[in-house]
Formats: sequence, C-alpha cells, structure tokens
Amino acid sequence: GAGVSQSPSNKVTEKGKDVELRCDPISGHTALYWYRQSLGQGLEFLIYFQGNSAPDKSGLPSDRFSAERTGGSVSTLTIQRTQQEDSAVYLCASSYWDTNTDTQYFGPGTRLTVL
Amino acid sequence: KQEVTQIPAALSVPEGENLVLNCSFTDSAIYNLQWFRQDPGKGLTSLLLIQSSQREQTSGRLNASLDKSSGRSTLYIAASQPGDSATYLCAVRDSNYQLIWGAGTKLIIKP
Repeated sequence: GAGVSQSPSNKVTEKGKDVELRCDPISGHTALYWYRQSLGQGLEFLIYFQGNSAPDKSGLPSDRFSAERTGGSVSTLTIQRTQQEDSAVYLCASSYWDTNTDTQYFGPGTRLTVL
Repeated sequence: KQEVTQIPAALSVPEGENLVLNCSFTDSAIYNLQWFRQDPGKGLTSLLLIQSSQREQTSGRLNASLDKSSGRSTLYIAASQPGDSATYLCAVRDSNYQLIWGAGTKLIIKP
C-alpha cells in the first residue's frame, strides 16, 4: 500500500507570506506527527494528532504555527507570516495507534525555504 | 529534559568492515528506542525498535542493543556495503509519547 505522502516536496516563499504543508498518512493510521529538521540539526517534534484531536501541541515554536487534521486522515501544517528561521524540512509521520510499540512511518518531507 | 546524543557525527569505513554506531540518552524513563536511516531527499526509514524491556533486536545485518540503566544503545552493522551509506538517527520515545532525536551519524561506506 501507499506510504505517507507530503506535498509540496519543495516550497520557496518570501518572508511574511503564509504557507500550507500537507500530509497524507497511511490509510488506517490514527496517530499523526509533525517534525521539523533544520540544517545540521536533529529532528524537532512539533505536534501530534490522535484522530482529529491534538493532545500534544507543545512543540509548536510560536503562535504563527498551527495544524489541523480532518476526517482522521489528511493533516495541514500552516505557518503564518513566515520568517527565515522557519526554513527547514518538515516531516510528517503516522502510526497505527499511539502506543509505545508502534513504529512511526515517515513521509519524504517538504523542504521549505523562506527568502 | 531528555537529551539524545550520537557519536560519532560522521564515520567513513571501507566496504566489508563491521561497525558500531553509538547513541546515549540522559533519562532512562523511556518506552522504546528506535534506529532510523535517512537518505538524502528521502524520508526516514525505521530500522529497529527496541522496547524498554528488551535488550536487543536484530534485522539482517543489523543488531541494536539497549542498556536502559546506563542510557546507551548501539547499532551494529555487519559486513558493511556501499548501500549502507546514509545518516543514521537514534530516537527515544519518552513518557510524553514524543520521539526525542539525536543529531545523527553520517555513515559513508567506501567501495
């Protein structure tokens, strides 16, 4: 079956613009995660969904970042008024259920460049 | 606050050698530890997941060990091949169900 997909694969935007990043998880996976990977740094947790609700938003770096998930499937990460420090690869992952035994499956990521 | 460290940051070895990648974490209260590989332009691929109650996991030429009390894990790669070249990431799942990541080890296998 299809894996996790993300779109766009690359996004170049100007400082101050809003961007939307999309994630399509593996069908049937109820848990969905967003991470950010900045150049030369490790992955940074942003937000986690269980179904359509987000019990953990603790990683969102500022109120310019928001995410939603509809129908227990597709998720959108929105960054408002982008800044240059937002440039990074944004990775989405999904897992069947949020337990400590589940492997997270990752999408290819969206590379965001803010000029 | 959980911190994950991977040593070395980069490693280059000739094809055929056995090698060990290291991962350490500061808080032993983890649910599991995972090893991933990341290829340029691609997403992360899960290699091995070790539950907190387990000591090791094996998959093909890969063997991962976990010593929770000392906060250490190793990834052993036997008979390395050029296709093993990638960045290897270690991540621990803590009590908040987040994955906390190391910065990775960039591995180059020379033909």
